Amino acid sequence: GESVGLHLPTLSVQEGDNSIINCAYSNSASDYFIWYKQESGKGPQFIIDIRSNMDKRQGQRVTVLLNKTVKHLSLQIAATQPGDSAVYFCAENTAGGTSYGKLTFGQGTILTVHP
Amino acid sequence: DTGVSQDPRHKITKRGQNVTFRCDPISEHNRLYWYRQTLGQGPEFLTYFQNEAQLEKSRLLSDRFSAERPKGSFSTLEIQRTEQGDSAMYLCASTFPRPPSGGEDTQYFGPGTRLTVL
Repeated sequence: GESVGLHLPTLSVQEGDNSIINCAYSNSASDYFIWYKQESGKGPQFIIDIRSNMDKRQGQRVTVLLNKTVKHLSLQIAATQPGDSAVYFCAENTAGGTSYGKLTFGQGTILTVHP
Repeated sequence: DTGVSQDPRHKITKRGQNVTFRCDPISEHNRLYWYRQTLGQGPEFLTYFQNEAQLEKSRLLSDRFSAERPKGSFSTLEIQRTEQGDSAMYLCASTFPRPPSGGEDTQYFGPGTRLTVL
């Protein structure tokens, strides 16, 4: 039968701390990366993206770092708030060819922020 | 609210029944994607439309699944003869290519349809 259960990495932080969520991607040809936040019972919500010609991009309270050499992506959240508690997914996309922009999602990380 | 809507939000059905889900993308978005998400996993790609043309289908999309986007606006996903393994969240996303490169742009997801097959 099918196994059931959650085996996602978890990160637990205190309110106000900085959070770092990591992701390893698989396709060296991927050239566009996105971080999504997903709250229980909702669809993924776009946070920030980065293209492969960059190694860092900043948004409001969030920073994404891309290391193409080791195929690693990270999401940094500054001054984490309880409302940041959610599952965070990285996704990769390979432009061109026949991929048509479909996203391949990573495993996901559960972030819990304690007041 | 991303502007992508899905209906229904929840569907409970008995094994063997047919179900149909609807997605209304952001109005100016010409690309529409369907994904499936099971508990504890990230979304998995099912199929993609550019305007009304279905350009790619995943191997996950068995012959019991069919998707349409007849007028290049809303899309429907039908599952025939549902099985318990079809129980999942079905997500729709839309995007509009960022000019001038025509490369892929941010995909905005709807709230999903949660399907439970008894």
